[in-house]
Amino acid sequence: NAGVTQTPKFQVLKTGQSMTLQCAQDMNHEYMSWYRQDPGMGLRLIHYSVGAGITDQGEVPNGYNVSRSTTEDFPLRLLSAAPSQTSVYFCASSWSRGTGELFFGEGSRLTVL
Amino acid sequence: KQEVTQIPAALSVPEGENLVLNCSFTDSAIYNLQWFRQDPGKGLTSLLLIQSSQREQTSGRLNASLDKSSGRSTLYIAASQPGDSATYLCARDLDQTGANNLFFGTGTRLTVIP
Repeated sequence: NAGVTQTPKFQVLKTGQSMTLQCAQDMNHEYMSWYRQDPGMGLRLIHYSVGAGITDQGEVPNGYNVSRSTTEDFPLRLLSAAPSQTSVYFCASSWSRGTGELFFGEGSRLTVL
Repeated sequence: KQEVTQIPAALSVPEGENLVLNCSFTDSAIYNLQWFRQDPGKGLTSLLLIQSSQREQTSGRLNASLDKSSGRSTLYIAASQPGDSATYLCARDLDQTGANNLFFGTGTRLTVIP
């Protein structure tokens, strides 16, 4: 039972480069989301999706794009990486858009030089 | 601006001790309050979910309570064990969209000493 799988686990980028963080879940969850975690701060919501074809912005969406073409996958794209995007990124999913246990991936640590 | 505050930021206790972790939040109009555990270098694991109409939830040695009127939630851990060492995070609903979007506190780092 894989749960929520994130790749890559570690990535180093140069300023201005673009990349995609992958997230896949095998639980047929409707809801998926991306958070970033920075030292001394709580996790902050970047983007979320309540179903295939539906995405919306969270607290800190600038510099990131998402799409949800299938129920299983929710990739996060960094358009032009900046040092301020150095962080640990977590993908999460749950059964429905409302209540329910939130399942997290193990995180992707991104460093932007 | 909503805030979620967790006190203390770090806590060390001897094995076997009962302990309470605190979480306070602004804006009592919340729907859900969740507690998570995070081990170093790992993702978050959901521990307990308290819906707005509930006052508490229990799972094994863990009990979480919610008092919306005072803007507080507590996580009680009974008979602590070294394996309980981790960072504990509380989170409330971020917005009124009805989606499972959460606003997190910064956590309490718990160390249980054998």
